[in-house]
Amino acid sequence: GAVVSQHPSWVICKSGTSVKIECRSLDFQATTMFWYRQFPKQSLMLMATSNEGSKATYEQGVEKDKFLINHASLTLSTLTVTSAHPEDSSFYICSARTEASTEAFFGQGTRLTVV
Amino acid sequence: KNEVEQSPQNLTAQEGEFITINCSYSVGISALHWLQQHPGGGIVSLFMLSSGKKKHGRLIATINIQEKHSSLHITASHPRDSAVYICAVSSEETSGSRLTFGEGTQLTVNP
Repeated sequence: GAVVSQHPSWVICKSGTSVKIECRSLDFQATTMFWYRQFPKQSLMLMATSNEGSKATYEQGVEKDKFLINHASLTLSTLTVTSAHPEDSSFYICSARTEASTEAFFGQGTRLTVV
Repeated sequence: KNEVEQSPQNLTAQEGEFITINCSYSVGISALHWLQQHPGGGIVSLFMLSSGKKKHGRLIATINIQEKHSSLHITASHPRDSAVYICAVSSEETSGSRLTFGEGTQLTVNP
């Protein structure tokens, strides 16, 4: 099946710094990528949807200036958590899909810990 | 009421048992997905279906569109099947472009 690679798989950063998470589709062109956040023992919550070459659409309550999403190519989307705070500590996971299908392929996820 | 509801929330089984996880949804869908999330967090897509039944190894997924219900079955369960199983639907309203997730079923298979 299609492969989505997410990097890094875990990161620890200091409060106030920024962290960039990458999501790459390795063997297909991802016209749409989704970024999710998951707190312990909870389901995935959609943060934003990004289409290649256009601005991301953020879900209600998600600060677009804090969670910067870039989808500059058909194989790469990035999520930057700016000025991270301990409450941003969470599991972030991306998924990607092609224009032709609703099937979603997920990255491995990134566990962010802000200290 | 959530748009996607799963049952049970938690399930413990003995190795070899037949397992069923249920998913009910309340919206029109273009497809239903069954996902598996291991303790490390990574998610694997098990099935995407819009009608009937699919089988992959020991896993079987069925869907009844009229009843808005799907089941995931695991035959001859094994401890390595221990994971969270998540049902998600692609909504017709958004042309299938986004997923709505159930809360997941934590499955533990004991040896």
